[in-house]
Amino acid sequence: GAGVSQSPSNKVTEKGKDVELRCDPISGHTALYWYRQSLGQGLEFLIYFQGNSAPDKSGLPSDRFSAERTGGSVSTLTIQRTQQEDSAVYLCASSFGGGTEAFFGQGTRLTVV
Amino acid sequence: AQSVSQHNHHVILSEAASLELGCNYSYGGTVNLFWYVQYPGQHLQLLLKYFSGDPLVKGIKGFEAEFIKSKFSFNLRKPSVQWSDTAEYFCAVNARSNYQLIWGAGTKLIIKP
Repeated sequence: GAGVSQSPSNKVTEKGKDVELRCDPISGHTALYWYRQSLGQGLEFLIYFQGNSAPDKSGLPSDRFSAERTGGSVSTLTIQRTQQEDSAVYLCASSFGGGTEAFFGQGTRLTVV
Repeated sequence: AQSVSQHNHHVILSEAASLELGCNYSYGGTVNLFWYVQYPGQHLQLLLKYFSGDPLVKGIKGFEAEFIKSKFSFNLRKPSVQWSDTAEYFCAVNARSNYQLIWGAGTKLIIKP
């Protein structure tokens, strides 16, 4: 596609439920990032995929968070047993490679009630 | 650990005023530097970037930034702001030795018409 696409754009879920957030990166981009943006905060790095290399999961805040990237393209971020502190905007970005300009999607606004 | 500091969280200016947003980073090695902008309701997009060469970088919409290595700074400037510049501005730094973009907390800019 022309840009990074994320779905859903908004998600309201009950505490304790699992959620899946989807990211379609720009075609040809080998690098894919997930970030979290909380109200009034900067961007918090979550996870990074680069080609076929093992992902860098060092930013995931707990073992309730996981992500995968199938076929080097689409990525899914899964949050299990959601908590209220998980409420934030989850942003996906892609680039041609680490360190180059990243292109962002519109984000998924997650609200845990 | 690397960090990025944006000095002002909120800036309010009148149209035609000059703008300077501060950004300082802590990392002693070679870096790539970015300014991103997020207009209300839109996704993050690149305003300008510095990788090497002339430390005065020109971006879109009349913005420029100057990399001063000795001060670890990459301040964003615009000589005359417009109401349409109302947005949140993020500074980001990427160490050449790795891929991870480190973000400032952002500056909310409001331009009064």
